[in-house]
Amino acid sequence: KQEVTQIPAALSVPEGENLVLNCSFTDSAIYNLQWFRQDPGKGLTSLLLIQSSQREQTSGRLNASLDKSSGRSTLYIAASQPGDSATYLCAVSQPGTYKYIFGTGTRLKVLA
Amino acid sequence: DVKVTQSSRYLVKRTGEKVFLECVQDMDHENMFWYRQDPGLGLRLIYFSYDVKMKEKGDIPEGYSVSREKKERFSLILESASTNQTSMYLCASSFGPYNRGRGPYTEAFFGQGTRLTVV
Repeated sequence: KQEVTQIPAALSVPEGENLVLNCSFTDSAIYNLQWFRQDPGKGLTSLLLIQSSQREQTSGRLNASLDKSSGRSTLYIAASQPGDSATYLCAVSQPGTYKYIFGTGTRLKVLA
Repeated sequence: DVKVTQSSRYLVKRTGEKVFLECVQDMDHENMFWYRQDPGLGLRLIYFSYDVKMKEKGDIPEGYSVSREKKERFSLILESASTNQTSMYLCASSFGPYNRGRGPYTEAFFGQGTRLTVV
């Protein structure tokens, strides 16, 4: 059974820092991995999608990497800003199930 | 831009009421999902639909039903609302034909969420 874990559960950093969020999954047979952002009380916003054949994807200050063999993905945020404060979730899709399997999330606070 | 719109941001309903949560997407996506999100439990799939009038149960379908009469609209129905159904409900959609045994291989897009309180 696929399990997706995100560590740490919460993180506070000063503005301007570069930071890395981690996502681990137990079954490497995935189609893709997607990173989302969720602001308090709101829905999920898709940030990046990495297909299983890709190693990384970039969008602006965000860079996501995928190492399927080790069951890991990282989301790198460059030059963090207070507006980056949110909960970040990763999710995987895999053969045999139609659902996206979500991690527990990392709550990020960027201090001005 | 893909847009997934949920009909209400906040709802307050009484125990025993029949509740309808509506979701509309504007990108002609085949797949639509209803999740609920609770602190400490994360996102759990309630129902999935891969085509008009087609549905599959998720992890926690008890107490819920769904309707998909048109491709763009997916409704979640709470037959008789109970206090343990107080939660954040999230609708999602994705592109791609669904084949049994395969998983979703395209990007998922979510709505803004409906915070339902049952009193």
